[in-house]
Amino acid sequence: GEDVEQSLFLSVREGDSSVINCTYTDSSSTYLYWYKQEPGAGLQLLTYIFSNMDMKQDQRLTVLLNKKDKHLSLRIADTQTGDSAIYFCAESTSRGNTPLVFGKGTRLSVIA
Amino acid sequence: DAGVIQSPRHEVTEMGQEVTLRCKPISGHDYLFWYRQTMMRGLELLIYFNNNVPIDDSGMPEDRFSAKMPNASFSTLKIQPSEPRDSAVYFCASSFGSQAFFGQGTRLTVV
Repeated sequence: GEDVEQSLFLSVREGDSSVINCTYTDSSSTYLYWYKQEPGAGLQLLTYIFSNMDMKQDQRLTVLLNKKDKHLSLRIADTQTGDSAIYFCAESTSRGNTPLVFGKGTRLSVIA
Repeated sequence: DAGVIQSPRHEVTEMGQEVTLRCKPISGHDYLFWYRQTMMRGLELLIYFNNNVPIDDSGMPEDRFSAKMPNASFSTLKIQPSEPRDSAVYFCASSFGSQAFFGQGTRLTVV
């Protein structure tokens, strides 16, 4: 079945880059997503990438996809204290209309 | 649009009571999802609808859980009777195309 794995914790210093990694098992994954969850809040869609792309950049965020290894990463440049949150990787096998399968989330702590 | 709206934000109830969670999806979205989030199990899909029709409810934990979508702008998730192990944050999400948007969630505590 589908499975999405992430490391649970990451700690970085303010101003450094953060790299959050994710692996997935479903080779038919079409869209891969990154969501951010702040304490007590819902999940905010940060960015997503279609499986025929290998990179997508959006301001401080860079998503890299290695489809051969089924590996997805999210790089946050110049990490700020406001980036402290849980980041979820998710995959979908259709145009997002099939339910997303989520990883357990990576808790990012930014040290001032 | 105000986004996906869930109510209540917090619910504390006694074991055995009926609980109803509500969701208003984003206007024009044709898919609606109910997820449950716990520390142990992460985000689990409970059920989802397409054009108000339930498509897959295999994630509903047991018969105590039921969900309805009487129209395109409203859905409910009901737990009857509630148990302490149902304590979790319940999220509703809606989508049209490749992006799913989540509500703020309902934190349910069953004592």
